[in-house]
Amino acid sequence: SQQGEEDPQALSIQEGENATMNCSYKTSINNLQWYRQNSGRGLVHLILIRSNEREKHSGRLRVTLDTSKKSSSLLITASRAADTASYFCATEGTNDYKLSFGAGTTVTVRA
Amino acid sequence: EPEVTQTPSHQVTQMGQEVILRCVPISNHLYFYWYRQILGQKVEFLVSFYNNEISEKSEIFDDQFSVERPDGSNFTLKIRSTKLEDSAMYFCASRADAGTSQPQHFGDGTRLSIL
Repeated sequence: SQQGEEDPQALSIQEGENATMNCSYKTSINNLQWYRQNSGRGLVHLILIRSNEREKHSGRLRVTLDTSKKSSSLLITASRAADTASYFCATEGTNDYKLSFGAGTTVTVRA
Repeated sequence: EPEVTQTPSHQVTQMGQEVILRCVPISNHLYFYWYRQILGQKVEFLVSFYNNEISEKSEIFDDQFSVERPDGSNFTLKIRSTKLEDSAMYFCASRADAGTSQPQHFGDGTRLSIL
């Protein structure tokens, strides 16, 4: 299986602090994507990083990818209460376009 | 911004009944998917659909499941005879094309409750 696995499972931070979560996977990938899910809602696409990229930024988000370690990290800077959600990494394999999801990191931002 | 829409948002069905979940993918997208998320568990791939046929399906997608794109805009998932364990959130997703930089865009999901 090439499913991503995130850690930590849960993270609680103060508003304004940075939140970092990690994802590991097992096999070769085309890309790795991060999604956010608010409670009971759909999956919102945050950022995609291709296998030949090492770092990508989007607003307050920074994603890194280390294909030699088969790992990725998502950094949310200057967190806000609205960032409270579950964050999932999902890998897209080289032979297909389906996504394999990890179990997610639940982030709580305290005001 | 274009989005994937799913209906209904919540479906309650008696065990053994047929259910059809509906999705309208983003216009001009070519790849379509169904995933499901059982409460408290990971999002799991069910099936992918391209060029009017299934391109891949998981072990979960057995003979009780089928997909269809009846009219060029809707994409449906049918469960013929529902079981208690089919209770989950079902997500539809679409992807523009086969490029390596194309994300999958998800709908808000249909919460399916089997009684």
